Amino acid sequence: QKEVEQNSGPLSVPEGAIASLNCTYSDRVSQSFFWYRQYSGKSPELIMSIYSNGDKEDGRFTAQLNKASQYVSLLIRDSQPSDSATYLCAVNKNAGNMLTFGGGTRLMVKP
Amino acid sequence: ETGVTQTPRHLVMGMTNKKSLKCEQHLGHNAMYWYKQSAKKPLELMFVYSLEERVENNSVPSRFSPECPNSSHLFLHLHTLQPEDSALYLCASSHEADGNEKLFFGSGTQLSVL
Repeated sequence: QKEVEQNSGPLSVPEGAIASLNCTYSDRVSQSFFWYRQYSGKSPELIMSIYSNGDKEDGRFTAQLNKASQYVSLLIRDSQPSDSATYLCAVNKNAGNMLTFGGGTRLMVKP
Repeated sequence: ETGVTQTPRHLVMGMTNKKSLKCEQHLGHNAMYWYKQSAKKPLELMFVYSLEERVENNSVPSRFSPECPNSSHLFLHLHTLQPEDSALYLCASSHEADGNEKLFFGSGTQLSVL
């Protein structure tokens, strides 16, 4: 079982729709969770971090964490073509230095 | 401009060559990282430095040798690489190396080993 698992996609949504990106992790003691966005040919950039169960909203982005189910998701409301990118889920297992990344989900927002 | 600068952007080298990747951060951070990104594989952490001391070495082959002369500069020395080492090598920095900090990535060096 992969430590951090994401569906590689592509996930295709129409412009204006809600895009839902999912991530599961295997280590129950994981404490910190991050979503990075990576445009093609560019480096990853952080868009959301979440540390406790529940929802965290930032503009059009909402991160959701459920530690009991070992599940973290990212919702993008009113998706725009400029949101088309690969979204990387990253998990810090135990307050150490190791940030483990998933393989990423490629999102395509069609006009 | 991300505040983390990597050179060169592209590198082609033979298996017998020796080359170095350079990273410089202008953000006043205490921690620096090397990551490897291969096609169709997750980002892999290679090395972590905190205040110029290596705190993580993630089972990386010895043909990769990191160097951190100060908190702003990080190098990755390469020698006798294999074709499977071809990948995008990303440098990152963060305020602290506790895993809870936002990582700032450089633009990466696209390495091809012939």
